[in-house]
Amino acid sequence: DGGITQSPKYLFRKEGQNVTLSCEQNLNHDAMYWYRQDPGQGLRLIYYSQIVNDFQKGDIAEGYSVSREKKESFPLTVTSAQKNPTAFYLCASSIGLAEGYEQYFGPGTRLTVT
Amino acid sequence: QKEVEQNSGPLSVPEGAIASLNCTYSDRGSQSFFWYRQYSGKSPELIMFIYSNGDKEDGRFTAQLNKASQYVSLLIRDSQPSDSATYLCAVGRDLPGSARQLTFGSGTQLTVLP
Repeated sequence: DGGITQSPKYLFRKEGQNVTLSCEQNLNHDAMYWYRQDPGQGLRLIYYSQIVNDFQKGDIAEGYSVSREKKESFPLTVTSAQKNPTAFYLCASSIGLAEGYEQYFGPGTRLTVT
Repeated sequence: QKEVEQNSGPLSVPEGAIASLNCTYSDRGSQSFFWYRQYSGKSPELIMFIYSNGDKEDGRFTAQLNKASQYVSLLIRDSQPSDSATYLCAVGRDLPGSARQLTFGSGTQLTVLP
């Protein structure tokens, strides 16, 4: 099956710990994205990447880091510098910009930091 | 300031009725427009996209775009209880290269009453 996988589905961490969220896609998509969703709010862009070894900050990159060592993988690290890390994290990918090549989302990881 | 505004609802309609969801956006440079459906606890699912002024129909869904008024809407005909979800409006801006940034509204919660 082709698609985007994220793991784990639920993640619990203590304050002050870094945590890495996994995102893998087997769709051969070039672009990958990380969004964050807080309750009752829309999604906000954290980071995106268009090619291997290159990534760009989105609107809320502070306290997060990413890597893109393989086309299929785009892990997100939530660092201890992120002031409010508890949220629903969504990874998305797309193949391009032409109509019909839209962004599709993985199932998400719900992170709780206490 | 780029913004996407949606009525938060909740919007309730009886089964079989037409549900009308509205969205306005502030960035006149926006090039693409999307409607995602999000069930509680799940990730967003793309249901419609529209790039040109006018109407676009897909089954029971019709997206309407008016760039002059910076307005996009979604009509759901013959609403079913399974349509009960939060509907997210997203506005796209192409980034250098092959990526696109989506700016999301906070969503409209729709309940279809049996």
